[in-house]
Amino acid sequence: SQQGEEDPQALSIQEGENATMNCSYKTSINNLQWYRQNSGRGLVHLILIRSNEREKHSGRLRVTLDTSKKSSSLLITASRAADTASYFCATAPRGGNNRLAFGKGNQVVVIP
Amino acid sequence: SAVISQKPSRDICQRGTSLTIQCQVDSQVTMMFWYRQQPGQSLTLIATANQGSEATYESGFVIDKFPISRPNLTFSTLTVSNMSPEDSSIYLCSVAGASVTTGYTFGSGTRLTVV
Repeated sequence: SQQGEEDPQALSIQEGENATMNCSYKTSINNLQWYRQNSGRGLVHLILIRSNEREKHSGRLRVTLDTSKKSSSLLITASRAADTASYFCATAPRGGNNRLAFGKGNQVVVIP
Repeated sequence: SAVISQKPSRDICQRGTSLTIQCQVDSQVTMMFWYRQQPGQSLTLIATANQGSEATYESGFVIDKFPISRPNLTFSTLTVSNMSPEDSSIYLCSVAGASVTTGYTFGSGTRLTVV
């Protein structure tokens, strides 16, 4: 069953603007991960946040995790046309044998 | 992180036939995961492939439809059997990161169209 699910979003923003997307999940987790997928290709890992962390940064990415609300957000700052992609959150459930559960995904279009 | 070579990258198949998808990893891994991504949808886990034992299938997926082989720690295949148009999807293999703080690596995907 899908454990991570974000509000389905289709974002269309101008280059240079920030993009924020959200994710909610249902069970206890070891960590939450964000992935990018370009044009239906393979997924690329962006960032991982552990259940005992609240915020993490990597370059232009900022992810937050609120385990009390079972939710996470991914912020991409100063977006670029190359950021146009689908973004998925995935949760690694506690005791889940490393089986990731993916959310619905967010389609982001950055207009040059 | 591991590098995965997945093939074919795409195929168009006749209904009733079968297609075998291969994934080769550049390092030894205990578990490999197979996902399906239906058009416009998210990823759904099909099964976990373990070397030396039968794959573990998720609810809604059966071995007769999606037989999996795992002959060694670097290779796995997924077969989509007796295909119908509803099987048209992207199929992806994946392996876990080297530690609990690293993400998973995915193959580049196989885009399957059944006509």
